[in-house]
Amino acid sequence: AQSVSQHNHHVILSEAASLELGCNYSYGGTVNLFWYVQYPGQHLQLLLKYFSGDPLVKGIKGFEAEFIKSKFSFNLRKPSVQWSDTAEYFCAVNVENQGAQKLVFGQGTRLTINP
Amino acid sequence: DGGITQSPKYLFRKEGQNVTLSCEQNLNHDAMYWYRQDPGQGLRLIYYSQIVNDFQKGDIAEGYSVSREKKESFPLTVTSAQKNPTAFYLCASSKTEYALRYGYTFGSGTRLTVV
Repeated sequence: AQSVSQHNHHVILSEAASLELGCNYSYGGTVNLFWYVQYPGQHLQLLLKYFSGDPLVKGIKGFEAEFIKSKFSFNLRKPSVQWSDTAEYFCAVNVENQGAQKLVFGQGTRLTINP
Repeated sequence: DGGITQSPKYLFRKEGQNVTLSCEQNLNHDAMYWYRQDPGQGLRLIYYSQIVNDFQKGDIAEGYSVSREKKESFPLTVTSAQKNPTAFYLCASSKTEYALRYGYTFGSGTRLTVV
C-alpha cells in the first residue's frame, strides 16, 4: 500500500534558524508530491507541489522542497524561519488507482517557532 | 467566492447516534473527498467520489457512509458503528484533470465530539 512518512512529529526552532522537514513515500509509480500547511485555526493550504521537471520546487513564503527520486524523498526546507511559520505541515503524494486519484498524507509535523 | 463549505464547525452528539456532516462546493469540481484528522496520525482518507452517484472506500471507511447525489454535495454520515468517532473531519475537492497540478481545495473542517 502507498504510504507517506514524516520523520519529525514536533520540531521546535528559534526565529532565523534553518528548517528541514523530512518526507519519504513508498509508491512505485509516477508520483506527484505536495506539501500542505495548516496554520492554527485555519484550513489546509497548498505550500508547494512537484509533478514534473526541475526537482527543486519553490513555494510560497520562502519554502522550497527537493524531490530525490532515488531516495523516495521530498523534504521541505526554509533557510530562515519566522514566528509566523508556526503551523502543522503535511506531506502528501497523489496516487492513481483504477482511474481514481487520491491524496495520501503523512502523519504531519508540528512546527513551533520561538520568537 | 468559490470554495468548500463544511457545516457545522462544531458538532456534539451522544454515543450511539448517527450524525451527518455537510460538505458543499461551488467550484465545479468533479471529485470530492472526506478525510479524518487525528493528532499524530495526519489525514486519513475515509471516502472519495470522482463523479456523481459513484464513490469509493478510502483507508478507514468502516463505520462511515456517504452519498453523492449532486456534483456540489458530498455528505458524510458517521454511524454508531464507528468505534472512535470523535475527530476533526475535513472535506476536499478537486477538478480531476487539474488535481495533479493544483492539488485539492480543503474546507475548514468540522470538529465532531461524541459524548
